[in-house]
Amino acid sequence: AQKVTQAQTEISVVEKEDVTLDCVYETRDTTYYLFWYKQPPSGELVFLIRRNSFDEQNEISGRYSWNFQKSTSSFNFTITASQVVDSAVYFCALSTQGGSEKLVFGKGTKLTVNP
Amino acid sequence: NAGVTQTPKFRVLKTGQSMTLLCAQDMNHEYMYWYRQDPGMGLRLIHYSVGEGTTAKGEVPDGYNVSRLKKQNFLLGLESAAPSQTSVYFCASSYSAQSRDRGNQPQHFGDGTRLSIL
Repeated sequence: AQKVTQAQTEISVVEKEDVTLDCVYETRDTTYYLFWYKQPPSGELVFLIRRNSFDEQNEISGRYSWNFQKSTSSFNFTITASQVVDSAVYFCALSTQGGSEKLVFGKGTKLTVNP
Repeated sequence: NAGVTQTPKFRVLKTGQSMTLLCAQDMNHEYMYWYRQDPGMGLRLIHYSVGEGTTAKGEVPDGYNVSRLKKQNFLLGLESAAPSQTSVYFCASSYSAQSRDRGNQPQHFGDGTRLSIL
């Protein structure tokens, strides 16, 4: 069975601080995919990144970076120099091969960035 | 550039009433999904479909039925609504066979339907 754990329920930071959101996953499959989605207060789900299990390269996109470590089954997300607009709920998710690509989500981390 | 469209956006029902949520996608995606989001629970998969005419159960299917008569539409039905089904419902779609990236593709989500059962 697949499982995603986001141990941090809520995080509060002050603008310009760096913040890391943790994600730990469980799967017995050797081929799998990891995702991060953002859900701002308006409620929609915004796709941020997809990583496959064979690509452990870290990725940076502007102020966002992702650290994928298979050895610890983690896919952590860091926001550098946080801004108020980063306030949202962030979900980590996992899918495995099998023809349906359905996602298993973590419970989410609510990030509040205060001015 | 519609993407995934959910109808309606809001609805209030009384216990025992029935209703159908409609999801439409214009990206020629093969796969479609229905999730529900409850406070502190993340998103949980209700039912999904890997193609026209096929459906399968997800993690929390009880009390729901689905149909995929046309590739672009995925309907979620509540036959006899219960207060426990008060939730925000999200539809998603993914995977185009014509896509260059045949690997796992991200799911595209609708804006959600907020459903309250009194």
